[in-house]
Amino acid sequence: KQEVTQIPAALSVPEGENLVLNCSFTDSAIYNLQWFRQDPGKGLTSLLLIQSSQREQTSGRLNASLDKSSGRSTLYIAASQPGDSATYLCAVKPGNTPLVFGKGTRLSVIA
Amino acid sequence: NAGVTQTPKFQVLKTGQSMTLQCAQDMNHNSMYWYRQDPGMGLRLIYYSASEGTTDKGEVPNGYNVSRLNKREFSLRLESAAPSQTSVYFCASSELGYAGYTFGSGTRLTVV
Repeated sequence: KQEVTQIPAALSVPEGENLVLNCSFTDSAIYNLQWFRQDPGKGLTSLLLIQSSQREQTSGRLNASLDKSSGRSTLYIAASQPGDSATYLCAVKPGNTPLVFGKGTRLSVIA
Repeated sequence: NAGVTQTPKFQVLKTGQSMTLQCAQDMNHNSMYWYRQDPGMGLRLIYYSASEGTTDKGEVPNGYNVSRLNKREFSLRLESAAPSQTSVYFCASSELGYAGYTFGSGTRLTVV
């Protein structure tokens, strides 16, 4: 059974800092990996989708990498801002079955 | 705006009551999903529909039923609500295969 772990569970950083969120998964046989953002009381917003054949994806200040063989992905946020405060969720697609989610990292960026 | 629409946004039920959560997408996606989100548990899959006319159980299907009404709509029914079903329910959709998921804004359900 695929399991997804996100470390740390919570993170507090000062504004302007570069930071890395970690995601690991137990079975490397995945189709893709998706990073989401969730604001309190809201739905999930897709940030980046990395296919299994890709090593990284970038969108603005966000960069996600994927090392399928080691079962790891990282989400890099450059020059963090208070508006980046949210919970970040990592999810993997294990073959023809639906996404499996980690429990998320709750990020607070302090002005 | 194109996307996934869930109704209602909030609901309070008494134990034993029934209700149906509605989900519709206008992106012509083939696959649709229901997840529940609980504190400390993350998102867990309840049921999914890989394509119109098919449904499959996920990780936590007990106490729920689903109907894929057509390609756009996928409903989740609680026949006899229990306090353990207090949760936030999310519907999502995707194309088959390699595409990402799009989520609705959720239904916050409280069973008292």
